[in-house]
Amino acid sequence: ILNVEQSPQSLHVQEGDSTNFTCSFPSSNFYALHWYRWETAKSPEALFVMTLNGDEKKKGRISATLNTKEGYSYLYIKGSQPEDSATYLCAFQQNAGGTSYGKLTFGQGTILTVHP
Amino acid sequence: DSGVTQTPKHLITATGQRVTLRCSPRSGDLSVYWYQQSLDQGLQFLIQYYNGEERAKGNILERFSAQQFPDLHSELNLSSLELGDSALYFCASSPGQYNSPLHFGNGTRLTVT
Repeated sequence: ILNVEQSPQSLHVQEGDSTNFTCSFPSSNFYALHWYRWETAKSPEALFVMTLNGDEKKKGRISATLNTKEGYSYLYIKGSQPEDSATYLCAFQQNAGGTSYGKLTFGQGTILTVHP
Repeated sequence: DSGVTQTPKHLITATGQRVTLRCSPRSGDLSVYWYQQSLDQGLQFLIQYYNGEERAKGNILERFSAQQFPDLHSELNLSSLELGDSALYFCASSPGQYNSPLHFGNGTRLTVT
């Protein structure tokens, strides 16, 4: 069973604060790491897919880094806004052969609440 | 709107029954994935199809089966339903079969009474 852990479980910040969360995953047989944003009453929306050690991705005020050797990824939000309130999920994709490539193992998510 | 359509949105049925959940992927996407989210559980991978063929399998129960049709839509069949099968079932699609980002539908809420 693959262990994908996210921390913290939940986070409350004030508008304008910058914040970051962590996703930990197995450091062996890495294939890809995904980040998704899941707003209440909607479906998860893809933010990033990261495949290379040292990868950094950015989308507006949100960015992510990847360390495959130690098995972690950070998601950063700069200048949080109330509309950033959502659950942020990471998902690990293992290089386990042709029968497992499509399988994503999701973490439990970090619930972010941004207060005006 | 992700472009992935799932029907029905809600389904209420009794234990022992069989239901079919339907998914139409985003235009151009060849891969379809099924995920289950039960109470207090994260998204659990069930199965992936790519262009009509099964590509990856999670801990999908034997009572559950799926297929992807030539027009690329997919169906998830759940039979001999138990109370514990009550969950939100998501379908997602992607262009490729490996590390493409997933586009999720709005889910089907299944309640087994």
